[in-house]
Amino acid sequence: EAGVTQFPSHSVIEKGQTVTLRCDPISGHDNLYWYRRVMGKEIKFLLHFVKESKQDESGMPNNRFLAERTGGTYSTLKVQPAELEDSGVYFCASSQAQIRTDTQYFGPGTRLTVL
Amino acid sequence: AQSVTQLDSQVPVFEEAPVELRCNYSSSVSVYLFWYVQYPNQGLQLLLKYLSGSTLVKGINGFEAEFNKSQTSFHLRKPSVHISDTAEYFCAVINTGGFKTIFGAGTRLFVKA
Repeated sequence: EAGVTQFPSHSVIEKGQTVTLRCDPISGHDNLYWYRRVMGKEIKFLLHFVKESKQDESGMPNNRFLAERTGGTYSTLKVQPAELEDSGVYFCASSQAQIRTDTQYFGPGTRLTVL
Repeated sequence: AQSVTQLDSQVPVFEEAPVELRCNYSSSVSVYLFWYVQYPNQGLQLLLKYLSGSTLVKGINGFEAEFNKSQTSFHLRKPSVHISDTAEYFCAVINTGGFKTIFGAGTRLFVKA
């Protein structure tokens, strides 16, 4: 069974540009989460999808970030326009059941560098 | 609001020695507690979790953790580490009323030969 995959693994862009990160969860997992880790600090929750619906987006930093999960399968996270402080590693995770203790399976992350 | 503090950013240890990675949390409500491990170039992997019941939780790869409610701690231990345990370890909590996972800043474990 394939795990959670994320694309790209690395992205280097200039301030003001747009970047779209993609996450493919494990097949059949209704729950999808986005997290971000900035420069060795704690991993911070961004948002949680249940199928195609946003269950909790309280961690999204501002309106430059837009997450979508059309059809309840893969998800994209767009940053537009990117700022220097958006640099970090963006992780995606998925879980099968809508139980808060269900194991979340993480992807390897996308390292975003904004110059 | 919840918070998680991992008291050591880096822990160097010799192979076959015991290790303890410390984690304290703060929360006004009940929480579930987790430890994750991240090996280089990989995603986070669940090591163990405490939901209820016995305060000593055993996980994968010989790790265990003990929940101490009075000290609000959830320290991770292994009696004898291997080179392959070199990784970053994250303590995390979820409050019993939501789905948002709160992580600590991570502890890098370096196992030396």
